[in-house]
Amino acid sequence: AQKVTQAQTEISVVEKEDVTLDCVYETRDTTYYLFWYKQPPSGELVFLIRRNSFDEQNEISGRYSWNFQKSTSSFNFTITASQVVDSAVYFCALSENTGRRALTFGSGTRLQVQP
Amino acid sequence: DADVTQTPRNRITKTGKRIMLECSQTKGHDRMYWYRQDPGLGLQLIYYSFDVKDINKGEISDGYSVSRQAQAKFSLSLESAIPNQTALYFCATASGRAYNEQFFGPGTRLTVL
Repeated sequence: AQKVTQAQTEISVVEKEDVTLDCVYETRDTTYYLFWYKQPPSGELVFLIRRNSFDEQNEISGRYSWNFQKSTSSFNFTITASQVVDSAVYFCALSENTGRRALTFGSGTRLQVQP
Repeated sequence: DADVTQTPRNRITKTGKRIMLECSQTKGHDRMYWYRQDPGLGLQLIYYSFDVKDINKGEISDGYSVSRQAQAKFSLSLESAIPNQTALYFCATASGRAYNEQFFGPGTRLTVL
């Protein structure tokens, strides 16, 4: 069975600080996909990134960056120079490449960015 | 127009009532999913469907049923709502060729009193 753990329940930072959200996963598949979603207070889910298990290159998109390390089964998300608009709940999710292909979500990390 | 729509967006009902949540998509995807998000938790899978004749249970299907009326429509029913079914419900769609990426609807906030 697959599992996603987000050990940080809530993080509070001051604007312009960098913050890293941790994600650790478990799966028996060799092919799988990892995702990050943002859930702002309005409640919708906003897709941020997808990464497949064969691509361990780190990715940067503006102030966002992701560090994928298969050796430690981790897929961490860093926000550089945080802004108040980054305040939200962030979910890490895993999907295996066989069977139902549903997403298994972590419990989320609530990020509060104080002005 | 949104690719994945859910109706209603908000609903308050009473214990024992039958409720139907509807999901429609214009993406032409075969796969559709229903998830539930309890306060402070991640999403959990209720049901999923790979086509009109293929319906499968997820981890928390007890107390729910679904209907795939057409490729574009996937409805979730609570036959007799209870308070611990108060949650945010999401519908999602996926294409078999889209690297498992799922496209989520805006969610339905359901409160059972």
